[in-house]
Amino acid sequence: EPEVTQTPSHQVTQMGQEVILRCVPISNHLYFYWYRQILGQKVEFLVSFYNNEISEKSEIFDDQFSVERPDGSNFTLKIRSTKLEDSAMYFCASTWTGGNTEAFFGQGTRLTVV
Amino acid sequence: GENVEQHPSTLSVQEGDSAVIKCTYSDSASNYFPWYKQELGKRPQLIIDIRSNVGEKKDQRIAVTLNKTAKHFSLHITETQPEDSAVYFCAAISGGYQKVTFGTGTKLQVIP
Repeated sequence: EPEVTQTPSHQVTQMGQEVILRCVPISNHLYFYWYRQILGQKVEFLVSFYNNEISEKSEIFDDQFSVERPDGSNFTLKIRSTKLEDSAMYFCASTWTGGNTEAFFGQGTRLTVV
Repeated sequence: GENVEQHPSTLSVQEGDSAVIKCTYSDSASNYFPWYKQELGKRPQLIIDIRSNVGEKKDQRIAVTLNKTAKHFSLHITETQPEDSAVYFCAAISGGYQKVTFGTGTKLQVIP
């Protein structure tokens, strides 16, 4: 069964450093998403991406964050100048169509900012 | 924006009993309501979903009901088993780009 894959599974970084989280969505999916889950809390939407541009973003997704689809398979989340409060599990997801369809989640990248 | 509230935050049931988790949403334009199960340290996985043109949907031991007028939907798990123990999240989606608003989660513990 096809699945969304994320790398790395765990990333430790110093405060102020930049990190790039990588995702390979399911190959025939067209919509891509990033979510964040702070330990013990709910999953929070960050951004959706379609046709090589951001289609929607939350208030969490400020200038510190950016997304990119650098080639035909990868979808990346860049966090510039990381802060302690960026420590969380970051999930990538993809869907075949936007709206009203099942989102397939990756296994997550646990980001720890020290 | 959409706001989804979920209750209870924790739920303990005896194996074999039923479990019910309830969610309310605020945006009347929301039209798709998935339920995700998340085991400790793992990704959320869809277990059932319902669209706004349907009042109830069932899949084996799991059912979801939707009341559009009252803007609430519920997850029902019958004949619970220890492997049902996990955190369950409801969600609501409106619009075409699937901005998913999740509930705060219910930690279900099924006691053998």
